[in-house]
Amino acid sequence: AQSVTQLDSQVPVFEEAPVELRCNYSSSVSVYLFWYVQYPNQGLQLLLKYLSGSTLVESINGFEAEFNKSQTSFHLRKPSVHISDTAEYFCAVSPNTGFQKLVFGTGTRLLVSP
Amino acid sequence: IAGITQAPTSQILAAGRRMTLRCTQDMRHNAMYWYRQDLGLGLRLIHYSNTAGTTGKGEVPDGYSVSRANTDDFPLTLASAVPSQTSVYFCASSLEAGGHNEQFFGPGTRLTVL
Repeated sequence: AQSVTQLDSQVPVFEEAPVELRCNYSSSVSVYLFWYVQYPNQGLQLLLKYLSGSTLVESINGFEAEFNKSQTSFHLRKPSVHISDTAEYFCAVSPNTGFQKLVFGTGTRLLVSP
Repeated sequence: IAGITQAPTSQILAAGRRMTLRCTQDMRHNAMYWYRQDLGLGLRLIHYSNTAGTTGKGEVPDGYSVSRANTDDFPLTLASAVPSQTSVYFCASSLEAGGHNEQFFGPGTRLTVL
């Protein structure tokens, strides 16, 4: 079975500051990794994903995440956040074989203030 | 219709009542999912369907049932609601089953069971 740990339930940060949202996973098999974002009163949207190849993946709005197999981590980073980045961020993992399902972490609420 | 729609948006329900949450997608996705989102627990999979005519149990299926009579619709039924089923329910879909596929989420249904 797979599990995801997001240790930070809430991360407050000032606008234009850098941020890192931490994600660690546990799995006995190789995995796919995802970050989803949930803006207030909306459903989740895919932010970025790692399936294979380059361990550094980027989103269109400046976020990036790096797959670190030895540390079983997939931390999400952004060098300069905006007020509009305020949202809840979910890390998710899925085994890379068969019709496996996503397992989500408990989420990290990013609060960006002026 | 564009993407995934859910109905109702919110509902207050007396314990013991039967309730069906509706979910419709117009993307011709084969796989569909129902999650519940609870504070501090993230998203947990209730039931899923890899293709029309098939369904499967997720992490927290007890007290819920689903059907998948066609590609577009995936209703979730609470046969006899209990207060512990108070939650926000999200329907999602993906082109195919399998963890590498992006899941697209509906806007959610906020259910309160009294």
